[in-house]
This record gives sequence, C-alpha cells and structure tokens, in this order.
Amino acid sequence: GAGVSQSPRYKVAKRGQDVALRCDPISGHVSLFWYQQALGQGPEFLTYFQNEAQLDKSGLPSDRFFAERPEGSVSTLKIQRTQQEDSAVYLCASSKGDFNSYEQYFGPGTRLTVT
Amino acid sequence: DQQVKQNSPSLSVQEGRISILNCDYTNSMFDYFLWYKKYPAEGPTFLISISSIKDKNEDGRFTVFLNKSAKHLSLHIVPSQPGDSAVYFCAALYSGAGSYQLTFGKGTKLSVIP
Repeated sequence: GAGVSQSPRYKVAKRGQDVALRCDPISGHVSLFWYQQALGQGPEFLTYFQNEAQLDKSGLPSDRFFAERPEGSVSTLKIQRTQQEDSAVYLCASSKGDFNSYEQYFGPGTRLTVT
Repeated sequence: DQQVKQNSPSLSVQEGRISILNCDYTNSMFDYFLWYKKYPAEGPTFLISISSIKDKNEDGRFTVFLNKSAKHLSLHIVPSQPGDSAVYFCAALYSGAGSYQLTFGKGTKLSVIP
C-alpha cells in the first residue's frame, strides 16, 4: 500500500512569510506525528494527533507553529512569520495506534529553507 | 540534555562482516526501542524494535540487543552489505506517557565497503 506522503518536498520562504506543509498518512493509521530534523541531528518531536485530536503539542517551539488534522486523516503544519532558525526538514509519521505496536512510519520530509 | 545517545558518528565495515551500532539512554522510563535507517533525501525507514521485557529481537540479518541494567542497546547486522550504507538512528519511547513520541539519537553513519 501507499506510504506516508508529504508536500511540498522542498520549500524556500523569505523571512516573515507563512508556510503550510501537508502530510498524508498511511490509510487507516490513527496516530500522526510531526518531527523537525536539523542538519546533523536526529528528528525532534513537535506534536501528536490521535485521529483529529491533538493530544500533545509540547514540542512546538513557539506559538508561530500550528498543526491541525481536522478530519483525522490529512494533517497540515503551519509556520507563521518564518525565521531562519526554522530552516530544517519537517518529517511526518503515522502509526496504527495499537497498544502493542509503536512503530512509526515516516514520509520523505519537507525541506524548508528560510532566506 | 540528550536522553538517547549514539556516541559514534560514523562506522566503516567490510562487506560480509558484522556491523555493530550502539546506543545508550538515560531515561529509565523508556520501555520500547526502535532502530531506523535513513538514506539521503528520504525519511527514516523502520528496521526493527524491541520491548523492554525482552533482551533480544531478531529479524533476518538484523538483531537488536537490549541491556536494561546498563541502559544500552545495540544493532547487529550480519552479514553487512553495501546497500546497508546509510545513517542509523536509535529511538526510544515511554508507552505510559500517552504521547508515544519518539526520542532519537543523533545517528551513526554506516559505510559498508565492498
């Protein structure tokens, strides 16, 4: 079946612009996660959805970051008034949400460059 | 404060030999561990996982060992193949937190030399 897809794959934004990043999870996956990966680092957690409910947003670095998943499938990560330190790869992952299965499956990421 | 540490940024291994990638963690609440493999310009790909109630899990050429008392896990790849060349990430989670977020190490770049 199809994996997790993300769009766009690459985004260049001027400082101060707003951006929206899209994630299509694996069909039927209940849980959806967003991570931020800086160069040379491992992915860092941003936020977690179970269906349409955002259950954890503790990793969002500032109130400029906002995520939604209104119908429990596609999710959008929005960054307002982008700054240079927002430049990173943004990864989306989904999982079944079973209690005994915690594996997360990642999309290819969106590379955001803020100039 | 890094809770998951991969202290070797890189590792080179001859084709056919064993690759051993190491990972240490500090949070004793972690109860599930995963290894991911990442090629350039792609997202991480899930490889293998282990629950804290086990000390070993095997899947084909990949075996993960967990030593809870030492807070250490390792990934063994036998035999290593050139296609295994990638960055390997160790990740951990605490299933009781309700969030299921993964905490990652910084990765180890494995190069398998033909």
